Amino acid sequence: QAVVTQEPSLTVSPGGTVTLTCGSSTGAVTSGHYSYWLQQKPGQVPTTLIYDTTKKNSWTPARFSGSLLGDKAALTLSGAQPEDEAEYYCFVSYNGARHWVFGGGTKLTVL
Amino acid sequence: QVQLVQSGTEVKEPGASVKVSCQASGYSFTAYYIYWVRQAPGQGLEWMGWIDCKSGETNIAQRFQGRVTMTRDTSISTTYLDLTSLTSDDTAVYYCARDKPIGSKWGQGTLVTVSS
Repeated sequence: QAVVTQEPSLTVSPGGTVTLTCGSSTGAVTSGHYSYWLQQKPGQVPTTLIYDTTKKNSWTPARFSGSLLGDKAALTLSGAQPEDEAEYYCFVSYNGARHWVFGGGTKLTVL
Repeated sequence: QVQLVQSGTEVKEPGASVKVSCQASGYSFTAYYIYWVRQAPGQGLEWMGWIDCKSGETNIAQRFQGRVTMTRDTSISTTYLDLTSLTSDDTAVYYCARDKPIGSKWGQGTLVTVSS
């Protein structure tokens, strides 16, 4: 089974910019992996911020964007707010979107 | 409005089975897939599988094959997650989520505790 890797933790200053990345043990993450980014705050249900690498849901703040960066999927937060402090999970598909794997999560601190 | 309502907290003994339900409302049930995801205490999210609510086709994550069954009852717009041979490692919150895209709506989560 593929392993999806994320930075365990990152810190960003309020108003700053940070990029979270998502790599795959099988090789480069491409648009064909239809990668997702989910946000989860303590005690809450996850929220899907980004899907299909770059697409946003209607509730996704404009300061979040998804992309491919080198051989990884990436989530960029531009203009961090205190409420963005959360765990962020990458979610990647394999085998024609039949099989999915979560990354271990990145704990983002806004400080 | 679109809702996924899950069944309540379960406490099970090791070796038992549990069946978690996820009832949909506010949309065309058979037009979507339901994904099941779990989260052990203090741990990350883990994908368990999905079910096509129209055809009943499922795809179960390899590590759960043989222990997990996903079914649906279109007459009551409900999907079910069956997990057998429970161990303490199965203690977790179990979530259902609708697709298009995945996570367009989540259930509230069901806590399953496995303890003797």
